Amino acid sequence: QVQLQQSGAELAKPGSSVKISCKASGYTFTSYAMHWIKQTTGQALEWTGYIAPGSGGTKYNEKFKGKATLTVDKSSSTAYMQLSSLTPVDTAVYYCASWGLKYWGQGVMVTVSS
Amino acid sequence: DVVMTQTPPSLSVAIGQSVSISCKSSQSLVYSDGKTYLHWLLQSPGRSPKRLIYQVSNLGSGVPDRFSGTGSQKDFTLKISRVEAEDLGVYYCAQTTHFPWTFGGGTKLELK
Repeated sequence: QVQLQQSGAELAKPGSSVKISCKASGYTFTSYAMHWIKQTTGQALEWTGYIAPGSGGTKYNEKFKGKATLTVDKSSSTAYMQLSSLTPVDTAVYYCASWGLKYWGQGVMVTVSS
Repeated sequence: DVVMTQTPPSLSVAIGQSVSISCKSSQSLVYSDGKTYLHWLLQSPGRSPKRLIYQVSNLGSGVPDRFSGTGSQKDFTLKISRVEAEDLGVYYCAQTTHFPWTFGGGTKLELK
């Protein structure tokens, strides 16, 4: 069965970076784009961007350009999102999702605090 | 960006009652291939969102037929017939026709 297994919670200081992961299994990793979605405590969902694992091509929400960087490791079927220059507004749960939002990871809580 | 407006923001229901949630988009969601990429998600407490309905009216695998989706262009509705306890949570509409993909603000379904 398709599974997206995300890495554990992160506590980061303002100005630092974090890199969270999403390991896919149960399907051909390179066949489906991997999307990343931010959910703040107020429950709002924001699409961050996607990466096509086969080509490495990316598309970002303009709002997250310069904030998020998407990469993949095809050898381990793992997608990554790096968040840089962190501020408290980046505190949120970040989900990976694939197959057009059919499958979601369990989410990663990123907390930015000094 | 396409703005997705969901109403109501919350609903208080009794088990067995039927409810409807509205989702309106600021632009038509018909893609160049003729399909409409409007979906409904349910986020149960403490869980990841789950896709219930895709492309307006198609039930996801394992989703009970108590759920139904209708609509076209910019106006969509999710109906839940005979609400059960497992249906409680926050419902979101989402459009994947236009980039950036956008979501409605959510409708919280609670027990009366």
